[in-house]
Amino acid sequence: EVQLVESGGGLVQPARSLRLSCTASGFTFGDYAMHWVRQAPGKGLELVSSISWNSATIVYADAVKGRFTISRENAKSSLYLQMNNVRAEDTAFYYCAKGMGAPRTQLWLPFDYWGQGTLVTVSS
Amino acid sequence: SIELTQPPSVSVSPGQTASVTCSGHKLGGMYVSWYQQKTGQSPVLVIYQDKQRPSGIPERFSGSNSENTATLTISGTQPMDEADYYCQTWDSTSGVFGTGTRVTVL
Repeated sequence: EVQLVESGGGLVQPARSLRLSCTASGFTFGDYAMHWVRQAPGKGLELVSSISWNSATIVYADAVKGRFTISRENAKSSLYLQMNNVRAEDTAFYYCAKGMGAPRTQLWLPFDYWGQGTLVTVSS
Repeated sequence: SIELTQPPSVSVSPGQTASVTCSGHKLGGMYVSWYQQKTGQSPVLVIYQDKQRPSGIPERFSGSNSENTATLTISGTQPMDEADYYCQTWDSTSGVFGTGTRVTVL
């Protein structure tokens, strides 16, 4: 059974940093693209960042470019999101999502499994 | 990047057909996925590549995509289908979600 478990959320002050983690199980983590998707309370979904299976391709939403960094450790089946200089508008649930498709293929595929999310609240 | 517009809400009676549209410039030339999100839960993929259903998704969910509009159709809608639905596509290097539609089963 595929499982994605996010952690690291919480209350953080504006301009500070936070690191989110996603631990995966039930599939060969190193073979698939991974993504972070966020959802502000009561709002829609927004793709924050994506990383290919081998970390060769990384993309960011314009809203977080230059502030957030996505990374992965395939040996630990783990995905990370380093969030620097956070802003009030970064307040959201952050979901880790697995890319669909055959192993070691392109990044631009649907998200077939999602974690339960971790809430990040940016406030002084 | 492309903008995907959905109606804020759709109401349907149990057993009837619900249609949710997703509009975007030349969307028919891209693959569209649809996600269902029930209150307090994580999104679930219900349609990918315009019309394909992942395993475990009921046959009453179907999809189409042509020109500038993709459509999610729920045939014989059940009360358990009440949820928010989001379309999604990839525009060059940007993953884009639609604005979301609340489907209410009255």
